[in-house]
Order: sequence, then C-alpha cells, then structure tokens
Amino acid sequence: KAGVTQTPRYLIKTRGQQVTLSCSPISGHRSVSWYQQTPGQGLQFLFEYFSETQRNKGNFPGRFSGRQFSNSRSEMNVSTLELGDSALYLCASRLGRANTEAFFGQGTRLTVV
Amino acid sequence: AQKITQTQPGMFVQEKEAVTLDCTYDTSDQSYGLFWYKQPSSGEMIFLIYQGSYDEQNATEGRYSLNFQKARKSANLVISASQLGDSAMYFCAMRLWDRDDKIIFGKGTRLHILP
Repeated sequence: KAGVTQTPRYLIKTRGQQVTLSCSPISGHRSVSWYQQTPGQGLQFLFEYFSETQRNKGNFPGRFSGRQFSNSRSEMNVSTLELGDSALYLCASRLGRANTEAFFGQGTRLTVV
Repeated sequence: AQKITQTQPGMFVQEKEAVTLDCTYDTSDQSYGLFWYKQPSSGEMIFLIYQGSYDEQNATEGRYSLNFQKARKSANLVISASQLGDSAMYFCAMRLWDRDDKIIFGKGTRLHILP
C-alpha cells in the first residue's frame, strides 16, 4: 500500500511570502501530525489532526497553521515566512489515536531566502 | 518537564559488530511509549521499535532490541550484527498517552558503519 506522500519535496520561498505544504496519509489512517526539523533545534512537533480536528499543538507562533480534510489529507500553512523557517517539514500518519506506530513521509525541504 | 536525552551525537562502528545507542528520558507520567526511528539521508523517518511503559519484556524486532530499564529511565537501542545500510541518524522519542499523545524527540545520534 502507498506510504505517506508529501508535496512538494523541495520549495524555495522569499521572506514575507506564505507557503502551503500538503500531506496525504496512508489510506485508512485518520491521524496526521506535522514536525519541523532543523540542525539547531532538531525535531519539533508542530500539531496533530485527527478526524479534521486539531488535538495537539506544539510551541510555534500563530504563523504556523494547519487543517485536515474529510479524506484525512492535511495541509500546513506558514505565513510571513522568516529565514528561520528554513527546515525539513515532516508529516506522519497513524491509524488512530491509540495506535502506536507513526509512518512518516519523506518531507518537504523548505528554503527561505 | 518531559525530555529525551541522547548523549552520543555521533558513533563509528565496525560492520558486523553490535552497537548500543543511548537514550534516557524524563517524565513523571506513568503511561508513555518509547520509540526509535531511523532517518537515512533521504529524510524519511523509519519506525524501528516500540516499548510501552507497562511492558515488562524488552521489545525486539529482528536485529533491533530495546533495553528498557524503567527505574533508570533509559531505553537504549541495540543493533546486533550491524550492516553498512544501518548508517543513518537515529532518534529516540517518547509519546505521552495521557497528554493527548504528545511526542518528544531526542536530538539524535548519527551512526556510521565502517566496512
């Protein structure tokens, strides 16, 4: 079965712009979570959605937002981009809330110039 | 505060040797899960092994085993008979089941397997 798909794989944006990243979970998975990975801060949790509802949020400013659609696909939006937003953004899906194993996509590499 | 600590930023190991990657965690919660993920240069995080806080036996998955010492709050990953393909970044993570499944990652250990 298909894995977690993230699009685009690579993105270059300029400061002040906004960006939308997409994540398609494994078929049947209802939980999608997003992470930011940078060399300095490591892997940091952004937010998690389950059945279109945000159920957990990390410590990121309001410029970072997300949503989940009825087909479980999720989008993450970052507005007013800053240089420090350059990172690998990873998405992971789980079957349900209590399910232990999360499957990750290959990530979107965002570069802000 | 909840925290994961991986003290080894990098390790070099000879092929076919066993390797232990260290992970200690800090939480006052009783219900949690400990995970190890592998991240090759392609970027994708690959799930390796899981240990629940109430599991009495150490988890094993093929060449991977998790040395769970609850009193010491450690969850070390052991890879037996290392292979060149094991070269990657390894992350230890903790999920807190009573805090809406909040997940915390360690900083990671970069493992290099030498031929």
